Amino acid sequence: GNSVTQMEGPVTLSEEAFLTINCTYTATGYPSLFWYVQYPGEGLQLLLKATKADDKGSNKGFEATYRKETTSFHLEKGSVQVSDSAVYFCALPRDGAGSYQLTFGKGTKLSVIP
Amino acid sequence: DAGITQSPRHKVTETGTPVTLRCHQTENHRYMYWYRQDPGHGLRLIHYSYGVKDTDKGEVSDGYSVSRSKTEDFLLTLESATSSQTSVYFCAISGRTSGSYEQYFGPGTRLTVT
Repeated sequence: GNSVTQMEGPVTLSEEAFLTINCTYTATGYPSLFWYVQYPGEGLQLLLKATKADDKGSNKGFEATYRKETTSFHLEKGSVQVSDSAVYFCALPRDGAGSYQLTFGKGTKLSVIP
Repeated sequence: DAGITQSPRHKVTETGTPVTLRCHQTENHRYMYWYRQDPGHGLRLIHYSYGVKDTDKGEVSDGYSVSRSKTEDFLLTLESATSSQTSVYFCAISGRTSGSYEQYFGPGTRLTVT
C-alpha cells in the first residue's frame, strides 16, 4: 500500500521565521495528497490538498507542491505566527481500494515562540 | 467545516465496564471512521464503515466493536474497557462525492480507564 514519511519534530521557530516540514511518499499512481493540522485539544483539520502532479495547494499562508519527480509534498510558510503552533500531518490514500482510507504520517509538532 | 459531533467529549470509566462513544454527522458522507490517537503511535484506525450496516476492521480493532444503523450515526463500543484503551478517540467522515478522499474529523473524545 501507499506510505508517507514525515520529518520528525519537534520544530521550534521564532515568529516570522520560514517554515518547511518535509513529507515524502511512496504510492501507486498519483493519488491526492493532504496536509492536516491539529491544534491543542482539537481534532485534525484539513489544511490543504493537491489532487494531481504539479498542483499547488494553499491555505492560511501555507503552501505545498505535489512533486512527482521527488515524490514529495513539503509544507511551507513564509512567516510563521505563534498561532501556527500545532501538529502537522501529511496524508495520502492508503491504496487504490474503495475504502477511502488515508495513511497519515506520524506528525510534526511545531512551536512558534514570540 | 463538516458537521461532526462526538459524545461524550470526556469520560472516565472503570476497568471492565462497557463504554459506547457516539459520532454524529449532518453531512451525508458515506464513509465513517474511528481512530485512536496516542503519543508515539500517531493516528491508528480502529474500525470504519462504508454504509449503513456495513463495517470493517482497521489496524487496532481488538476489544472494539462498531455499529451503524443510520447514515448519520456511527457508534464505537468498548466491550470491557481496559487501561490500554485510555486514549483520545476521533471520528472522521469522507466520501460525500465519488473520488473525494479527504476526511473531516470530529473534536475527539478523551477516554480514561481507571
